[in-house]
Amino acid sequence: DTAVSQTPKYLVTQMGNDKSIKCEQNLGHDTMYWYKQDSKKFLKIMFSYNNKELIINETVPNRFSPKSPDKAHLNLHINSLELGDSAVYFCASSRTGFNEKLFFGSGTQLSVL
Amino acid sequence: AQKITQTQPGMFVQEKEAVTLDCTYDTSDPSYGLFWYKQPSSGEMIFLIYQGSYDQQNATEGRYSLNFQKARKSANLVISASQLGDSAMYFCAMREGGYSTLTFGKGTMLLVSP
Repeated sequence: DTAVSQTPKYLVTQMGNDKSIKCEQNLGHDTMYWYKQDSKKFLKIMFSYNNKELIINETVPNRFSPKSPDKAHLNLHINSLELGDSAVYFCASSRTGFNEKLFFGSGTQLSVL
Repeated sequence: AQKITQTQPGMFVQEKEAVTLDCTYDTSDPSYGLFWYKQPSSGEMIFLIYQGSYDQQNATEGRYSLNFQKARKSANLVISASQLGDSAMYFCAMREGGYSTLTFGKGTMLLVSP
């Protein structure tokens, strides 16, 4: 029944490893997003996909690669993890339009040791 | 320039009192939406209230209301009759026309005391 679900909820890994976070929405939305929330709680957009196509790619290192196999899924793969990647990553989805709210997943707490 | 400014890093209020959380925004797009989200200590993002740029009346949702002053570009959240469960981080956010994303302010931490 969860509208936007992301897994895992917690991810603890060593520097240099590669990891993925998965996200799925069952709301029939055409747009999906990845946000990063840093230690000061600031939420910053990373990527936005509309109907599986990349629409927005903010200044994110190439080590981050989103993949959208279909409209309902948007996964985030991170290569060569660095200490500074430690953060909470939120997946979200919405319909297109300035009046459409975003529905957020519960977040993935990534800790790079 | 910041698109969303929340000038209050933290606010304290006593239970049952009303509190106003400030938010100003900057856009030249005539079509935009303003949103408030709550993030409790458990971490989830909870949508509270929405105000559209063309809306004539201030939005209300239960104990939440939005004081929308378009000429001043402000969209303050008013919580009436605060409850202990209102203690959380509150984010103001804006979405402009087209394929835009939601841009967030830095948030205001609200603490409600008994």
